[in-house]
Amino acid sequence: GENVEQHPSTLSVQEGDSAVIKCTYSDSASNYFPWYKQELGKGPQLIIDIRSNVGEKKDQRIAVTLNKTAKHFSLHITETQPEDSAVYFCAASRDSGYALNFGKGTSLLVTP
Amino acid sequence: SAVISQKPSRDICQRGTSLTIQCQVDSQVTMMFWYRQQPGQSLTLIATANQGSEATYESGFVIDKFPISRPNLTFSTLTVSNMSPEDSSIYLCSVAGGEANEKLFFGSGTQLSVL
Repeated sequence: GENVEQHPSTLSVQEGDSAVIKCTYSDSASNYFPWYKQELGKGPQLIIDIRSNVGEKKDQRIAVTLNKTAKHFSLHITETQPEDSAVYFCAASRDSGYALNFGKGTSLLVTP
Repeated sequence: SAVISQKPSRDICQRGTSLTIQCQVDSQVTMMFWYRQQPGQSLTLIATANQGSEATYESGFVIDKFPISRPNLTFSTLTVSNMSPEDSSIYLCSVAGGEANEKLFFGSGTQLSVL
């Protein structure tokens, strides 16, 4: 089955700096890669996703890149703000958004 | 995206008892799912809640322990039966949405602690 590895497990950055979280996957048939943000006491919130026919996608301060050959994808957050502090999860699936295999999460702390 | 309401938001239960978690969606959805998130861990799919038929369980999860109901397209329940401290987790309801039902949206979760 699919195995999703996520690094780092914790990340601390200064406000205004960029943050990068990386994930690798094992199933070459995976074609959908979402990212979720989970704040304390809340459910995961979908923040951005990418399909395998696209190499990069951007939405304001967040962007995701995908390298199908190397089977890895990354989340980039620019101009970080304290409100970006949360746990971020990557995931991968073959055909549909709901059969998701999640990474173990990255706890991001943005300090003022 | 659909608005997903889950209750209770948290509960503290005694060993050996059962708890039923409710999930209400503000629109009809085809696919509903239940996930578990153990402390400090990632999300694991428990089962797919099928409307009008028995739920489809993932490996390691059984109906006797986690019975699920899905009476209509907007509502589902998950029961955690005969609880032990190992069942202490966040339980999350989720629904598929987006143009082709390719996106997964989550409720706010139920924080369960078993003493």
